[in-house]
Amino acid sequence: GAGVSQSPSNKVTEKGKDVELRCDPISGHTALYWYRQSLGQGLEFLIYFQGNSAPDKSGLPSDRFSAERTGGSVSTLTIQRTQQEDSAVYLCASSLASPSGRPYEQYFGPGTRLTVT
Amino acid sequence: AQRVTQPEKLLSVFKGAPVELKCNYSYSGSPELFWYVQYSRQRLQLLLRHISRESIKGFTADLNKGETSFHLKKPFAQEEDSAMYYCALFPGGTSYGKLTFGQGTILTVHP
Repeated sequence: GAGVSQSPSNKVTEKGKDVELRCDPISGHTALYWYRQSLGQGLEFLIYFQGNSAPDKSGLPSDRFSAERTGGSVSTLTIQRTQQEDSAVYLCASSLASPSGRPYEQYFGPGTRLTVT
Repeated sequence: AQRVTQPEKLLSVFKGAPVELKCNYSYSGSPELFWYVQYSRQRLQLLLRHISRESIKGFTADLNKGETSFHLKKPFAQEEDSAMYYCALFPGGTSYGKLTFGQGTILTVHP
């Protein structure tokens, strides 16, 4: 079946503009994660969704970052007033979720490469 | 808070040589450890997890709780092993499956 998809694949924006990044998880996966992949920084957790709720937003770097998920499916990560330090690859992953919280395999999307000029 | 450290950003070996990608973690509990891999122009994907105790593509990793390490090893590296490798930790409890990743190691296997 189809894997996790993300759009756009590339986004170039001017400093100060808002951007929206989209993630379509694997059908039936209730858990959804956003990560940021920066050169030399590894993978940085941003936010986790279980269904439509986000019990863990601890990784969002500032209040310029927000995310939502609707219908337990598609998720959008919004960055307002973008800064150059926001330039990175934004990865989305989805997985099954168990009541105990133990991790199932996370399936990653291809990422969105964001460049802020 | 937990932390994962991969001390080598770059690692180069020749085909047929043994390879070891280092991963150290700091966490006081009993975590689950994983290795994820990203081949060129492909998605990040799970390579192996310590609880499975299996060998994938010739790679193995043993969780050493005394040394808090989870090094990834392969006795004879192949060119197709060239990729970015991430070590990741799940602390357990109600952590919602959230993983803490290391900074990654780029492995290059030369012919």
